Amino acid sequence: AQSVAQPEDQVNVAEGNPLTVKCTYSVSGNPYLFWYVQYPNRGLQFLLKYITGDNLVKGSYGFEAEFNKSQTSFHLKKPSALVSDSALYFCAVRDFNDYKLSFGAGTTVTVRA
Amino acid sequence: DTAVSQTPKYLVTQMGNDKSIKCEQNLGHDTMYWYKQDSKKFLKIMFSYNNKELIINETVPNRFSPKSPDKAHLNLHINSLELGDSAVYFCASSQGFRGEQETQYFGPGTRLLVL
Repeated sequence: AQSVAQPEDQVNVAEGNPLTVKCTYSVSGNPYLFWYVQYPNRGLQFLLKYITGDNLVKGSYGFEAEFNKSQTSFHLKKPSALVSDSALYFCAVRDFNDYKLSFGAGTTVTVRA
Repeated sequence: DTAVSQTPKYLVTQMGNDKSIKCEQNLGHDTMYWYKQDSKKFLKIMFSYNNKELIINETVPNRFSPKSPDKAHLNLHINSLELGDSAVYFCASSQGFRGEQETQYFGPGTRLLVL
């Protein structure tokens, strides 16, 4: 079985400050990990993924995430948040042996000017 | 030049009706998906097709039936609509469903309201 948890429903930061959105996962095999962002009334957009290789993954719009196998985490980070980063962020995981992607409940990020 | 498109964008209908949602992708992808996003924004996979073959069929009522006439299209037909079917339905596509090919591209969503 596979599952993913986003422990924070909401994250609020000031523009220019670092942004972190937390994600932990549970799989029986090797994980494939993804971050997607959803702006209001839009579909999800891909940000970045970890399949294999370097634990630090860089993605779109200045976001990055670090795969930590021992802590089963894949936190999303941005060094300096922008107001335009305000959106709903989803972490997703797929076990190597599964076909489907399981999404977390989402974290709403609000960046204030 | 829309990558993944869905029609209609909005659908308001009465309980008991039958409706269809259409999805088309022009990315040349082999794999397509249907997701349901409920009012709390929780996203759940419903179905997935790879090269017109059903590969994911989650526990959804059999009132929901996907149809893939070709690799570029995946339609969702819903019979006897119920109030609980009200949600946003997203179509997505990916090159494949393994490894580097499985990045999914989502359509804009179809907002279904059952009255």
